[in-house]
Amino acid sequence: DQQVKQNSPSLSVQEGRISILNCDYTNSMFDYFLWYKKYPAEGPTFLISISSIKDKNEDGRFTVFLNKSAKHLSLHIVPSQPGDSAVYFCAASDTGRRALTFGSGTRLQVQP
Amino acid sequence: GAGVSQSPRYKVAKRGQDVALRCDPISGHVSLFWYQQALGQGPEFLTYFQNEAQLDKSGLPSDRFFAERPEGSVSTLKIQRTQQEDSAVYLCASSLADWGTEQFVLTFGAGSRLTVL
Repeated sequence: DQQVKQNSPSLSVQEGRISILNCDYTNSMFDYFLWYKKYPAEGPTFLISISSIKDKNEDGRFTVFLNKSAKHLSLHIVPSQPGDSAVYFCAASDTGRRALTFGSGTRLQVQP
Repeated sequence: GAGVSQSPRYKVAKRGQDVALRCDPISGHVSLFWYQQALGQGPEFLTYFQNEAQLDKSGLPSDRFFAERPEGSVSTLKIQRTQQEDSAVYLCASSLADWGTEQFVLTFGAGSRLTVL
């Protein structure tokens, strides 16, 4: 039973355009959401987070949107750069459990 | 150190062997997590320590898996009698801030890739 789903295994965009990565979750107890980026042979690196009391959080080129009623979040990268090419993982947690539940990842390729 | 350090980076074991994977978290980080990442999947939670106390081990897949953090810093994940299905990358992560705060962020190590033949 996958509680966090990233239905697109891969995404390709042109440099300078917007990248939109999507994530759906099923557990209504989740109250904190994060995006991690992973390069080959490295551990995941924290990108941006959002708590369930907000619907948007921005950090430079990265914005995360949370739609609680739809149990959906998305990561927008504007403008996309070739260095953004990596696997992006969506993760969620509930404060009761102290563990992150990850999606299976989306591989983003930004074409120069 | 500056980051989370894991060793060995790569380990090949014959089925039935015992293995030990080490994690050096960032100095001062009280929370430490172990995750297992199978090929093509996201990391899956194994266990969590706050200082030396193992507060959650619900993700350990069997009693062949054992983790410890005796002095609240370095942690070891031990797998006894390894099986082929144990082949995965084992990720360690640590955090300074307490769980539930918006500043809570896990910093991951590069992982230990275990291959069981």
